[in-house]
Amino acid sequence: EVQLLESGGVLVQPGGSLRLSCAATGFTFSNYDMSWVRQAPGKGLEWVSTIRGNGDTTYYADSVKGRFTISRDNSKNTLFLEMNSLRAEDTAVYYCATRNWNYGGASDIWGQGTMVTVSS
Amino acid sequence: EIVLTQSPATLSLSPGERATLSCRASQSVSSYLAWYQQIPGQAPRLLIYDASNRATGIPARFSGSGSGTDFTLTISSLEPEDFAVYYCQQRGNWPLTFGGGTKVEIK
Repeated sequence: EVQLLESGGVLVQPGGSLRLSCAATGFTFSNYDMSWVRQAPGKGLEWVSTIRGNGDTTYYADSVKGRFTISRDNSKNTLFLEMNSLRAEDTAVYYCATRNWNYGGASDIWGQGTMVTVSS
Repeated sequence: EIVLTQSPATLSLSPGERATLSCRASQSVSSYLAWYQQIPGQAPRLLIYDASNRATGIPARFSGSGSGTDFTLTISSLEPEDFAVYYCQQRGNWPLTFGGGTKVEIK
């Protein structure tokens, strides 16, 4: 079964750090660019970051540039998001998703999301 | 950054009615626009890619049109499971951006 499973979301204090993981099963992970998308409570979707399939190129939203780092381990079929200097406005459900070029680079597979809460 | 403006914010319709959702881009994104459906508590689901192509398994009542800066998602006859929030997303330029969403609610 094709699946993405996020983990690592917790309650963290402002200024703290966190690493999210996304485990992929059921497809050839290294063939896909991957993204993180977040959704603050009651709000819309916000793209956070994307990494190419071979990991050589990364892209970030201005809101997280310099604080977040996306990476992947293709040998373990896992995507990561290292989050530093966390702020209250980073509170959100974080989804990992594929970028499928069979669908024009749109995201056809999504995880169920992991909740990150930044609060003192 | 390309800003996507979706309208209306809320659409109140009855099952069986036609829904027309709009997404306007602040500059041309060619045909590089996707539509997603999100039911509360669930992850988004891809409906349409490259403006007018249905993703695998998406019913024919969903259709997309447009290019450049103006795009439309049409649901020809609303089914009970279609009441949800719909988002457009562009991949024409970095950063990728989403619209603010249109909520389709039961009238």
